[in-house]
Amino acid sequence: GQQLNQSPQSMFIQEGEDVSMNCTSSSIFNTWLWYKQDPGEGPVLLIALYKAGELTSNGRLTAQFGITRKDSFLNISASIPSDVGIYFCARAGGTSYGKLTFGQGTILTVHP
Amino acid sequence: DVKVTQSSRYLVKRTGEKVFLECVQDMDHENMFWYRQDPGLGLRLIYFSYDVKMKEKGDIPEGYSVSREKKERFSLILESASTNQTSMYLCASSRGTGPGANVLTFGAGSRLTVL
Repeated sequence: GQQLNQSPQSMFIQEGEDVSMNCTSSSIFNTWLWYKQDPGEGPVLLIALYKAGELTSNGRLTAQFGITRKDSFLNISASIPSDVGIYFCARAGGTSYGKLTFGQGTILTVHP
Repeated sequence: DVKVTQSSRYLVKRTGEKVFLECVQDMDHENMFWYRQDPGLGLRLIYFSYDVKMKEKGDIPEGYSVSREKKERFSLILESASTNQTSMYLCASSRGTGPGANVLTFGAGSRLTVL
């Protein structure tokens, strides 16, 4: 399947800093999703984006569906220690509902 | 609290053994998925199913098979385990055929080591 390019691969930040990560694809898609995986757990959905240009917030998290439909970014403001984990972007397209393609993941470490 | 339950969190098997990974969901979801997670590669889709007794290949089906005899249960089978199948395996489920079908609920994962 087609791959997504997610960056950065890892981030080491101080508590209170803002975080930004992004995901790009060579093809256009209908849906972008962002998941977070806590250590020892399965990924959990953070934000789903369904329209080009859409900007959606969930608490300290903000995600945008790129206007070209080929990219998305996730911002975390004022990071806290529990933000630690692996963040994955994922895309869905066409009629294969639920058949997601995931990015490589961004490993976030937050130092108190 | 809705759940996707994977029966084994950790397994250690020998090369050539047959391995069963079981997954059960209690949300009456139509769709079920098996992914494997490897560092630097993200999650890759192995197989998925939209209905009982139905299965479709994902992106990396080689060396795997699946079984879905009941709506709530989706099993991943490694007929003859190999060391390159050492990985974290994640089961997920979702509802219906609309945009909500893309909202996957994941289990906690099964970490398989093949020696």
